[in-house]
Amino acid sequence: EVQLVESGGGLVQPGGSLRLSCAASGFTFNRSWMSWVRQAPGKGLEWVAYIKQDASETYHVDSVKGRFTISRDNAKNSLYLQMSSLRAEDTAIYYCAKNGAGAAFDFWGQGTLVTVSS
Amino acid sequence: EIVLTQSPGTLSLSPGERATLFCRASQSVSSSYLAWYQQKPGQAPRLLISGASSRATGIPDRFSGSGSGTDFTLTISRLEPEDFAVYYCQQYGRSPPGWTFGQGTKVEIK
Repeated sequence: EVQLVESGGGLVQPGGSLRLSCAASGFTFNRSWMSWVRQAPGKGLEWVAYIKQDASETYHVDSVKGRFTISRDNAKNSLYLQMSSLRAEDTAIYYCAKNGAGAAFDFWGQGTLVTVSS
Repeated sequence: EIVLTQSPGTLSLSPGERATLFCRASQSVSSSYLAWYQQKPGQAPRLLISGASSRATGIPDRFSGSGSGTDFTLTISRLEPEDFAVYYCQQYGRSPPGWTFGQGTKVEIK
């Protein structure tokens, strides 16, 4: 059974930093693209970042470029999102997601809430 | 950037009725990279359809996807009580890699 378990969310002040983690199990992590997707309260879904299976390629949505960095540790079956210079508009539930066929997000974690507020 | 526009915003239907949800792209999208998701309150999204028409594992056959180019459709043949939720379409672009979602269609009980 595929499991993705996020952690690291919480309340942070504007300009602060936070590191999200995602523990993966039940599939071959080192063969899978992985992504972060977020959802602001009461809003739709927004893709945030993606990383190739061997970390040789990463991409981030324009709104977080230069502030967020996706990474992975295949030895630990873990995905990360380092977030800095956080803004109020980054407040959202952040989901870890596995990319499958057609680059679709075929499995999702339960999400971790990040709140940016003073 | 490709923009996906879903319609209608809200669909009010009764159990047993047919639901037809639309997703229009601002430019042509490869069918291989068009997906649909279901999200219920307080839950993570769930993949329903990938490649425009392929049901994900465990998805009932009352869900079907179709379309090509700029116009895609998700059909729920007979609504079950558990199908009332928000549905999102999503596309993937390869150069550079990026994913965009539609704004969602809420299917509510009439």
